[in-house]
Amino acid sequence: AQTVTQSQPEMSVQEAETVTLSCTYDTSESNYYLFWYKQPPSRQMILVIRQEAYKQQNATENRFSVNFQKAAKSFSLKISDSQLGDTAMYFCAFMMGSGNTPLVFGKGTRLSVIA
Amino acid sequence: ETGVTQSPTHLIKTRGQQVTLRCSSQSGHNTVSWYQQALGQGPQFIFPYYREEEKGRGNFPPRFSGLQFPNYSSELNVNALELDDSALYLCASRNWRGSNTGELFFGEGSRLTVL
Repeated sequence: AQTVTQSQPEMSVQEAETVTLSCTYDTSESNYYLFWYKQPPSRQMILVIRQEAYKQQNATENRFSVNFQKAAKSFSLKISDSQLGDTAMYFCAFMMGSGNTPLVFGKGTRLSVIA
Repeated sequence: ETGVTQSPTHLIKTRGQQVTLRCSSQSGHNTVSWYQQALGQGPQFIFPYYREEEKGRGNFPPRFSGLQFPNYSSELNVNALELDDSALYLCASRNWRGSNTGELFFGEGSRLTVL
């Protein structure tokens, strides 16, 4: 079974600064996807960024980028130029590459951006 | 296009009662999955529905059941409610065409409180 571990329950960052959220996962699969989701107080889970395991290049989406270390099974999220609207719960998630399979989530990291 | 919508947004039940939660998938999506998110935790997969059939199940007992309708909307039914069933129930939909490249879109959830 796949597991996802987020070791930082809470983090805070000053507005305009950079913060990195950590995630490790465990799987014996070679074909899979990794995700970071944001869940603001509105509760809706929003996709931040996605990484295919077969791609060596780290994914980037504007101010969000990942550091994907496949051998170490590590998948961290870097948020640059943090904004107040980035305040939310952030979940790391895993999905196998084939089959109509579910997301496996970590427990989340609560990020607070401070003005 | 409309997103994933869930109803009701909040509800309160007592132990032993039954509850039905509803989800309308995003237009064009053929798969609906249900997740349970306990307070302070990441979402846990309950089951997916594809072509009106349950396709696998997470670690949830049979008193959790569901339906998918021809228009791809879905219901989650929970019988004999227990206090631990108190959680946010999330519905997610995607258009599955044999690979997991399609993005999963989440609704805002139904907050169930069992007293």
